[in-house]
Amino acid sequence: QKEVEQNSGPLSVPEGAIASLNCTYSDRGSQSFFWYRQYSGKSPELIMFIYSNGDKEDGRFTAQLNKASQYVSLLIRDSQPSDSATYLCAPLTSGSRLTFGEGTQLTVNP
Amino acid sequence: GAVVSQHPSWVICKSGTSVKIECRSLDFQATTMFWYRQFPKQSLMLMATSNEGSKATYEQGVEKDKFLINHASLTLSTLTVTSAHPEDSSFYICSARVGANYGYTFGSGTRLTVV
Repeated sequence: QKEVEQNSGPLSVPEGAIASLNCTYSDRGSQSFFWYRQYSGKSPELIMFIYSNGDKEDGRFTAQLNKASQYVSLLIRDSQPSDSATYLCAPLTSGSRLTFGEGTQLTVNP
Repeated sequence: GAVVSQHPSWVICKSGTSVKIECRSLDFQATTMFWYRQFPKQSLMLMATSNEGSKATYEQGVEKDKFLINHASLTLSTLTVTSAHPEDSSFYICSARVGANYGYTFGSGTRLTVV
């Protein structure tokens, strides 16, 4: 079992739609969860992080966490073409290390 | 915001030579830095954790004698790829934790091509 699994994608949504990105993790000890966006050829950029069960909203982005189900998701509302990128889920595991999933490639079509 | 400056952004070297990559935290002190490698269309794989003033901790399967890490100050960590070979060609990225409320910030990455 992979430590972090993300919906494989690619995911394609029309402009203005909601994009839903999912992630499951295996380490029950993980307490914090990070979502990064990575454009092709660039390094990851932090979108947001969450550490409490429930929802956390930041602008058009909402992260959802369910520790009992070992599940974290990211919703992007009013998707824009500029949101087209690979989205990486990264739980904080032992030793304060980020463990990355393989990412979900999102394309927002104008 | 917290910035990690990474240089060079790209480098081409001959097989058998060594390449040094630098990461500097510009406006904060980074006790710990992380070095990742990313092959095309794959995710980031942690290579090692660099601790200021002590030896780096390498992940399983990463050759510590090939990937030399030095973290001599609170603002500078370096990764040296020694005796580089074409299979070492990859995107190398450093990262540092800024604080509990800011997550981890990444350098801009170094594209290494060994010919």
